[in-house]
Amino acid sequence: GENVEQHPSTLSVQEGDSAVIKCTYSDSASNYFPWYKQELGKRPQLIIDIRSNVGEKKDQRIAVTLNKTAKHFSLHITETQPEDSAVYFCAARGAGNTPLVFGKGTRLSVIA
Amino acid sequence: GAVVSQHPSRVICKSGTSVKIECRSLDFQATTMFWYRQFPKQSLMLMATSNEGSKATYEQGVEKDKFLINHASLTLSTLTVTSAHPEDSSFYICSAGPVGGSMNTEAFFGQGTRLTVV
Repeated sequence: GENVEQHPSTLSVQEGDSAVIKCTYSDSASNYFPWYKQELGKRPQLIIDIRSNVGEKKDQRIAVTLNKTAKHFSLHITETQPEDSAVYFCAARGAGNTPLVFGKGTRLSVIA
Repeated sequence: GAVVSQHPSRVICKSGTSVKIECRSLDFQATTMFWYRQFPKQSLMLMATSNEGSKATYEQGVEKDKFLINHASLTLSTLTVTSAHPEDSSFYICSAGPVGGSMNTEAFFGQGTRLTVV
């Protein structure tokens, strides 16, 4: 089955700097790669996603890149703000109605 | 986006009792729903896949007789934690989707249920 590795587990950046979180996946059949932000005790919130037919996607300060050959994808947050502080999870999923497999998460702290 | 509603959001129960958690798709039909468990400071781990009208599929290490899943309609899946013990205390969350055609990919999550067994 799919295995998703996520690094780093914790990340501290100064406000205004960029943050990068990286994930790798094992199943070449996976074709959907979302990123979630989760606050304590709440459901994961989708912040950006990418499908396997696209190499990069950007939404304001957030971007995701995907390298299918290497089976890795990354989240980039630019101009970080204190409210970006949270736990971020990457995930991967195959075609159809299949479950998401999550990375272990990254706790991002943005220091003002 | 589609809405998935999960209840209760919090429950405290005594050890040995059972707790039922409901997951409803409010504006779409979900033939499949997924149940995840999240322990503190850990990731979401898939427990089981709930299939409407048929038996759930459980992940390795998840006891099907302890975590009963019923998916009797296209909009409701329930997870019952039977004979709960303190080690079952966790955040349980369901998801459904994608919705619609093959171009849709997003999964929709319920609000989650914080279970505390005392």
